Amino acid sequence: DSGVTQTPKHLITATGQRVTLRCSPRSGDLSVYWYQQSLDQGLQFLIQYYNGEERAKGNILERFSAQQFPDLHSELNLSSLELGDSALYFCASSVRLNYGYTFGSGTRLTVV
Amino acid sequence: AQKITQTQPGMFVQEKEAVTLDCTYDTSDPSYGLFWYKQPSSGEMIFLIYQGSYDQQNATEGRYSLNFQKARKSANLVISASQLGDSAMYFCAMREGPNNNDMRFGAGTRLTVKP
Repeated sequence: DSGVTQTPKHLITATGQRVTLRCSPRSGDLSVYWYQQSLDQGLQFLIQYYNGEERAKGNILERFSAQQFPDLHSELNLSSLELGDSALYFCASSVRLNYGYTFGSGTRLTVV
Repeated sequence: AQKITQTQPGMFVQEKEAVTLDCTYDTSDPSYGLFWYKQPSSGEMIFLIYQGSYDQQNATEGRYSLNFQKARKSANLVISASQLGDSAMYFCAMREGPNNNDMRFGAGTRLTVKP
């Protein structure tokens, strides 16, 4: 157990729907990062939060949004889902900016 | 532009032998960090080793070592005495700058250890 908790582990939903992925960072870690891993795009950085504030944005679609709550857990919201959104979504956390990440086990999203 | 390049989509190694996984990077920032992660078939991402751009010595962690050649901008991972459990995808990654906000990953190398 890495200490980063992601729920759910698997999610199957239909096109056009909206889902929420949840992440609890490792105790003491202030930064949360979201990544999308698909077969054709590899690991893509989506967004980062630090202590509740958005710190950086990567290749995140406008249909996607995220937030980090006062207890530091984070949620990634994916709406108007398309087949191409099927991927493994990782959350990672780190204790400080110049340190490595600890990844959660991921949420496998399948859009049908 | 691609920042991290892993040119070996797949590699094979005999059990108990050493293997080198290649990684080259591109940055103009003098301060950066290089990382290697392992992703077994179960899907989780496991941190292996870290090398800072100002580190004078190559990083080592058990059977893992990082062959850091700064002038060539390469950060190859060396796994010694390969084990069957080393079969996995391996990703090289980089964070740039003192206040870097995200880590960029290479495309990965799939390592298969043969018995």
